Amino acid sequence: AQSVTQPDIHITVSEGASLELRCNYSYGATPYLFWYVQSPGQGLQLLLKYFSGDTLVQGIKGFEAEFKRSQSSFNLRKPSVHWSDAAEYFCAGEVGDYKLSFGAGTTVTVRA
Amino acid sequence: DGGITQSPKYLFRKEGQNVTLSCEQNLNHDAMYWYRQDPGQGLRLIYYSQIVNDFQKGDIAEGYSVSREKKESFPLTVTSAQKNPTAFYLCASSPRGESTDTQYFGPGTRLTVL
Repeated sequence: AQSVTQPDIHITVSEGASLELRCNYSYGATPYLFWYVQSPGQGLQLLLKYFSGDTLVQGIKGFEAEFKRSQSSFNLRKPSVHWSDAAEYFCAGEVGDYKLSFGAGTTVTVRA
Repeated sequence: DGGITQSPKYLFRKEGQNVTLSCEQNLNHDAMYWYRQDPGQGLRLIYYSQIVNDFQKGDIAEGYSVSREKKESFPLTVTSAQKNPTAFYLCASSPRGESTDTQYFGPGTRLTVL
């Protein structure tokens, strides 16, 4: 089955430290890949997306993600987290069937 | 301001009652979507519509129904046939419904069935 997997349910990171969230995909073809962020009780906001070309994608709020075909991964990174980055993060994929498939999400807690 | 509105934010219903969740967008987007979110399961697609008067089932359409009579509106009805309707429901829209489109999400409606 085509899917997106986020192996980490919950990550705690200190303010100012770096953050990396993992995303693995399982598709027959290279999917379109997205990272969204959700603040508690709110809707989702797009951080960045990858379709083709340069494998390092820059997004909003200082986030970036790297597409690695050999590892079927699309990990999200931020060099220095802020307390406002505490949220739930979702990786999503799509292979031309107009339906996004979401991972289960990773909750990020930022400690002072 | 352009955006997506969902109302109400919280909704309580008795078991066996149908309930309709509202979703309105003023972004002039062609496509609209309904997702269900449960803890630890991410978002699952219920229905989507790429054009007025047309819609398609998503992965978990059983017990739900939709209509798309106007471009800006995509209401979702949770029927009594839905076995476990308590969840957070998110509506989204995208400009053309194409694979590369960004989806824009509303703030969600939390439905609790008592």
